[in-house]
Amino acid sequence: NAGVTQTPKFQVLKTGQSMTLQCAQDMNHNSMYWYRQDPGMGLRLIYYSASEGTTDKGEVPNGYNVSRLNKREFSLRLESAAPSQTSVYFCASSVGLEGGELFFGEGSRLTVL
Amino acid sequence: GENVEQHPSTLSVQEGDSAVIKCTYSDSASNYFPWYKQELGKRPQLIIDIRSNVGEKKDQRIAVTLNKTAKHFSLHITETQPEDSAVYFCAANNAGNMLTFGGGTRLMVKP
Repeated sequence: NAGVTQTPKFQVLKTGQSMTLQCAQDMNHNSMYWYRQDPGMGLRLIYYSASEGTTDKGEVPNGYNVSRLNKREFSLRLESAAPSQTSVYFCASSVGLEGGELFFGEGSRLTVL
Repeated sequence: GENVEQHPSTLSVQEGDSAVIKCTYSDSASNYFPWYKQELGKRPQLIIDIRSNVGEKKDQRIAVTLNKTAKHFSLHITETQPEDSAVYFCAANNAGNMLTFGGGTRLMVKP
């Protein structure tokens, strides 16, 4: 089992460019999440998907869009990247929303110049 | 919404000493409090969690205590070892069962 895999691991963008972060899990989990991690601010929830076919905004959704492609895959898109979106992005999954363990991917370091 | 404050932001201890990290939360409806450990350059991983129906939980050298009245919970690591060096995050769930994370504590264990 690979767990949660996300790509790419590193990306440098220019302001205004777009990109998509891909995430897939092979644990048959229902719920998936995208977090961003900034120094001193912990992990902040961008968007989540409680189950296949649903997506909802988290704490910091502005500037992002998501797609739950199927039960395994959950992508995060930056339509017009801004320097404030420079961060480390983590995808995570869990069995459901009932308050259980989050399994994280390895992270994607994004720099917007 | 939920607000989680975590202290201290950095903690340096001598190998073998104990380490304590404290968190406070704002939403009295929160009932799930996990702790995640993130080693340098790695993904966060769950090390222990506690639900509101218990006041303390232990797992070998790690323990978590919860005071619902005061809305705070703490992570206790005894007999610290160099491999305990990492960033630790506390979290609490909100009404929608989403986790709000604290800002993190960088623990350094000096050999």
